[in-house]
Amino acid sequence: QAGLTQPPSVSKGLRQTATLTCTGNSTNVGYQGTAWLQQHQGHPPKLLSYRNNNRPSGISERFSASRSGNTASLTITGLQPEDEADYYCSAWDNSLTAWVFGAGTKLTVL
Amino acid sequence: QVQLEQFGAEVKKPGASVKVSCQTSGYTFTAYNIHWVRQAPGQGLEWMGWIDAGNGYRRYSQKFQGRVTITRDTSANTVYMELDSLRSEDTAVYYCAREVNAFDYWGQGTLVTVSS
Repeated sequence: QAGLTQPPSVSKGLRQTATLTCTGNSTNVGYQGTAWLQQHQGHPPKLLSYRNNNRPSGISERFSASRSGNTASLTITGLQPEDEADYYCSAWDNSLTAWVFGAGTKLTVL
Repeated sequence: QVQLEQFGAEVKKPGASVKVSCQTSGYTFTAYNIHWVRQAPGQGLEWMGWIDAGNGYRRYSQKFQGRVTITRDTSANTVYMELDSLRSEDTAVYYCAREVNAFDYWGQGTLVTVSS
């Protein structure tokens, strides 16, 4: 099944801002929006945002999401060492009637 | 607090079946969907299917249709995922996740290793 497209890796310096992207189409990202998940090695994923820019309680305001057309973005400001992780986008695909994921972006904080 | 508990690890031979459990607590079990997502070693997340814990309605990824069965036991607040005809490519961590608009709570995962 077709997934969402994410860059494999992004590297940014400490306290800088990173923007991760996720490209889909009108039946997934452009349909009901995107959720973003963070996963540290050896741990399950953790929800950071959903329906484009809703943050679950306890998630730092440093994480903000947005969408423009069929591309979603996750912006992380003031990068910290603990932000180094894999980031996945996910969306419901109304054409496939299935949930789809991006392949993930590995964020390195230099 | 919301918890999705997954226990242990499994080692299976090719061709066998595996049944993985996800015991939930801390919320109204029948009010949410539970999904199964797997992650092969070093790979990304792959959606397998879901069940409406309230009415039992199920839907599976086309990739796993005919090979996966998701069930629930409302008396035990537990969801199960059974995968048949295992092959080496099924070696992965299998996660359950609660869903309302997105996957908001996840289990710790169950490692299933398929090896002869």
